[in-house]
Amino acid sequence: DIQMTQSPSSLSASVGDRVTITCQASQDISNYLNWYQQKPGKAPNLLIYAASNLKTGVPSRFSGSGSGTDFTFTISSLQPEDIATYYCQQYDNLPLTFGQGTRLEIK
Amino acid sequence: EVQLVESGGGLVKPGGSLRLSCAASGFTFNYAWMSWVRQAPGKGLEWVGRIKSKASGGTIDYAAPVKGRFAISRDDSKNTLYLQMSSLQPDDTAVYFCAWEAEVATLHHWGQGTLVTVSS
Repeated sequence: DIQMTQSPSSLSASVGDRVTITCQASQDISNYLNWYQQKPGKAPNLLIYAASNLKTGVPSRFSGSGSGTDFTFTISSLQPEDIATYYCQQYDNLPLTFGQGTRLEIK
Repeated sequence: EVQLVESGGGLVKPGGSLRLSCAASGFTFNYAWMSWVRQAPGKGLEWVGRIKSKASGGTIDYAAPVKGRFAISRDDSKNTLYLQMSSLQPDDTAVYFCAWEAEVATLHHWGQGTLVTVSS
């Protein structure tokens, strides 16, 4: 199975800050990488697909980049409604696997 | 509007069985590839398995921890996805989500989840 390692596991930032989360795959996955946001008590919500493509309707402050084994998810200007846990997910091979999540809090 | 509504969760004893349902609407279900994903309390997301559309061969794949115990099926006439779970163990306790792969292996739409608790 492909292991996905996210860092950091948790992050505290201020409104307006630029926030970056990284995700590393245990092997080359090309750009087969998605990012999800999950708010407490809710289902996950797809934000970024194929490493860098913004899902329709998702605010442009969210972005993704990377290929191969190293990927980055960025919020350009943190908003209070962005408080959530963020997960990366690879789809190069089955089983689909997720990173362990990054919990984002407001400072 | 795409809607996925899971049902069937509850409390079950170790070794027991349970069937979850996921009622779909707002998209062409019979062409959809559908996944189940679970989340243990306070933990991350774990893919359980997926069923392809009949047009794509209807292939079913499972994660190793559930293979041989869980069975995914679909009834396209009812726009419903199922997860039959047997030989349940306490570490199967989780919220179970169904999700539509609007693009291959990309979970564009999710249900609200249904909680399964395995405890004596």
